Amino acid sequence: QVQLVESGGGVVQPGRSLRLSCAASGFTFSTYAVHWVRQAPGKGLEWVAVISYDGNNKYYADSVKGRFTISRDNPKNTLYLQMNSLRPEDTAVYYCATSMATADIWGQGTLVAVSS
Amino acid sequence: EIVLTQSPATLSLSPGERATLSCRASQSVRGYLAWFQQKPGQAPRLLIYDASNRATGIPARFSGSGSGTDFTLTISSLEPEDFAVYYCQQRSNWRWTFGQGTKVEIK
Repeated sequence: QVQLVESGGGVVQPGRSLRLSCAASGFTFSTYAVHWVRQAPGKGLEWVAVISYDGNNKYYADSVKGRFTISRDNPKNTLYLQMNSLRPEDTAVYYCATSMATADIWGQGTLVAVSS
Repeated sequence: EIVLTQSPATLSLSPGERATLSCRASQSVRGYLAWFQQKPGQAPRLLIYDASNRATGIPARFSGSGSGTDFTLTISSLEPEDFAVYYCQQRSNWRWTFGQGTKVEIK
């Protein structure tokens, strides 16, 4: 079954860190670029970051640049998002997603809540 | 950053009616425009990629058109399960961007 499954979300205080994971299965993970996309409660979709298939290219939204780091472990079929210096406005459901020829794969999302 | 502007914000229609949703880009995205459907509590679902190609398993009542900066999603005859929020997305470069969404609600 082709799928992405996120984990690692939770409640965290402002200024603290959190690492999200995204486990891939059912497809050749190492051949696809993968993105993180987030959605604040009641809001629209916001692209966060992308990493190339081999990890050599990474790009970030201005809102997270310098605070978030995207990485991947291809032998483990896993994508990561290290989130530092978290702010209340980072509160959102975080999705990992990848595009294939005629379909996308999106995870079910993991909720990150930044609150004191 | 490429900004996508969707219109209208809300579309109130009855089942069986035709829905026409628009998406305008701040600069050309060539044909690299996708449409998603999202229902409450669910991940977005890809409907259309490359402006006019239906994704795997998407019914024929969904169609997309356009190129450059102006794009349209048409639902030919609304089914009860089509009432949801729709987002356009550009993927002309590494940095995806999304429109703000159009809510299709039951009139």
